[in-house]
Amino acid sequence: KNEVEQSPQNLTAQEGEFITINCSYSVGISALHWLQQHPGGGIVSLFMLSSGKKKHGRLIATINIQEKHSSLHITASHPRDSAVYICAVRNSGNTPLVFGKGTRLSVIA
Amino acid sequence: EAGVAQSPRYKIIEKRQSVAFWCNPISGHATLYWYQQILGQGPKLLIQFQNNGVVDDSQLPKDRFSAERLKGVDSTLKIQPAKLEDSAVYLCASSRQSTEAFFGQGTRLTVV
Repeated sequence: KNEVEQSPQNLTAQEGEFITINCSYSVGISALHWLQQHPGGGIVSLFMLSSGKKKHGRLIATINIQEKHSSLHITASHPRDSAVYICAVRNSGNTPLVFGKGTRLSVIA
Repeated sequence: EAGVAQSPRYKIIEKRQSVAFWCNPISGHATLYWYQQILGQGPKLLIQFQNNGVVDDSQLPKDRFSAERLKGVDSTLKIQPAKLEDSAVYLCASSRQSTEAFFGQGTRLTVV
């Protein structure tokens, strides 16, 4: 069974700061997801990665398959980025996602 | 395309009562998941459906939880009877084969 660890658990940043959230997993995967969860509970998928790097607006996600590690970066952070960011991995095919515990980000104006 | 729809958004019940949650996945998504997310933790899979068949229900507490996906579209998750520790957000997600999963808004259950 894959173990997914995220760090940090909690993060407070000033508006405009560059933010990095890390995710490591224990077993080889077919895909890694970065998800955003706002206080209401709904989850939005930000990225799905199997290799390399993806960018969407101010968000960048990278993955190193050999090191079993991924990072989510937010450039020029804004208070509306405040949310819980969750890393989840899929071992193979259509197996269910295994989730990390999430990183709670608060961006202060 | 329309997203994953869940209802109700919030539910408060007393322990030992019964409750049911409903999920309507994205049209054409064969795979449907129910997750339980306890406060401060990541979501935990309860059950996975492929069309109307169960793929994985190993973590579903079958003495009190049940789920069905009749006709391979909508799904319901039921808890009967509820316990205090069932207080959580119940998330439904759907996906096509081996693609990203799309999540509903979740149902926040409080058992008092």
